[in-house]
Amino acid sequence: GALVYQYPRRTICKSGTSMRMECQAVGFQATSVAWYRQSPQKTFELIALSTVNSAIKYEQNFTQEKFPISHPNLSFSSMTVLNAYLEDRGLYLCGARRHNYAEQFFGPGTRLTVL
Amino acid sequence: QQQVRQSPQSLTVWEGETAILNCSYEDSTFNYFPWYQQFPGEGPALLISIRSVSDKKEDGRFTIFFNKREKKLSLHITDSQPGDSATYFCAASGDNTGKLTFGDGTVLTVKP
Repeated sequence: GALVYQYPRRTICKSGTSMRMECQAVGFQATSVAWYRQSPQKTFELIALSTVNSAIKYEQNFTQEKFPISHPNLSFSSMTVLNAYLEDRGLYLCGARRHNYAEQFFGPGTRLTVL
Repeated sequence: QQQVRQSPQSLTVWEGETAILNCSYEDSTFNYFPWYQQFPGEGPALLISIRSVSDKKEDGRFTIFFNKREKKLSLHITDSQPGDSATYFCAASGDNTGKLTFGDGTVLTVKP
């Protein structure tokens, strides 16, 4: 079956520092990876959509300068939160999808706490 | 304006009852509607989905009813079990890019 792993599951960083999170698809080729942030109130925000061999598309209020993403192959993607502050805390979710399939499978998320 | 709305915010049913979770959307270009189930501390898990060309999708105890004209859909969970207690998210997508718009979720509690 389609599985998505995310690492680390939890991380704590000091305000102003950066942290990197990883996403790995197992059992299928993730041609498209979407990164979301789920707030403590449970609402979802799409950060960016990454498709292999295409430019990464960032949503309004999210930039490459703040959330650089790498999607080097069909099974792996990473995102860094640069210069993290309180408003960046939340559960960062990776949703992976196969080419021409609508189903998006999520990992368990990386929970970011900023002190 | 919120593109995907869910109601109620929370719902409590007894074991064995049918839970009905509602969802509505604004964007008429949306044509794919997945429902996700999320337990505390975990990521959302794809439960069942429907495309706008259908008006019903059934998978075991889970059924989606879809009304394109009214831009509404609902998830029915029959014979609810305590293990179904979770937050359920309705989402929508209008193209093949994987960009999902989520509702704010319904917290379902099934009492034994």
